[in-house]
Amino acid sequence: EPEVTQTPSHQVTQMGQEVILRCVPISNHLYFYWYRQILGQKVEFLVSFYNNEISEKSEIFDDQFSVERPDGSNFTLKIRSTKLEDSAMYFCASTNRDSGNTIYFGEGSWLTVV
Amino acid sequence: AQTVTQSQPEMSVQEAETVTLSCTYDTSESDYYLFWYKQPPSRQMILVIRQEAYKQQNATENRFSVNFQKAAKSFSLKISDSQLGDAAMYFCAYILVGSARQLTFGSGTQLTVLP
Repeated sequence: EPEVTQTPSHQVTQMGQEVILRCVPISNHLYFYWYRQILGQKVEFLVSFYNNEISEKSEIFDDQFSVERPDGSNFTLKIRSTKLEDSAMYFCASTNRDSGNTIYFGEGSWLTVV
Repeated sequence: AQTVTQSQPEMSVQEAETVTLSCTYDTSESDYYLFWYKQPPSRQMILVIRQEAYKQQNATENRFSVNFQKAAKSFSLKISDSQLGDAAMYFCAYILVGSARQLTFGSGTQLTVLP
């Protein structure tokens, strides 16, 4: 069964450093997402991406965040200058109309900012 | 505001017994999909079951079934014959039809299965 894959599974970074989280969505999906889950809290929407541009973004997705689809398969989330409060699990997800709006999640990238 | 409420932060069930997890939601839209996701200790988000709001028939996937009450905006998950592997955090969520709008999640219910 096709799946969303994410790398790295776990990254530790120093405060102020740039981080890039990578995702390979399911191949025939057209809508891509990043979600965040701080330990012990609910899953929060960050951004959606369609047709090579951002469709929607939440108030969490400020200027330090950016997303990119650099080629036909990868979808990346960049955090320019990490803060302690960016420590969280970051989930990539994808969907298309044929999947009935079911959003499929990757296994997550656990980011620890120290 | 569109919200999802899971009023049970924690639940426990004896192995082989049945448990029901509650979820209510609030949206002014009429066309949407509802989901239950399972998050085990590995923290992966695994789709358990989904329900189209236009369907009156409750969805069923093996031991998992839902009780969908559209007028009451209620979407509970029933797990029958609970197994130790069912222990996880369960999230209720919905997405509006017609666009790639984001999932709105509840705060989750931590399910413990007792041997």
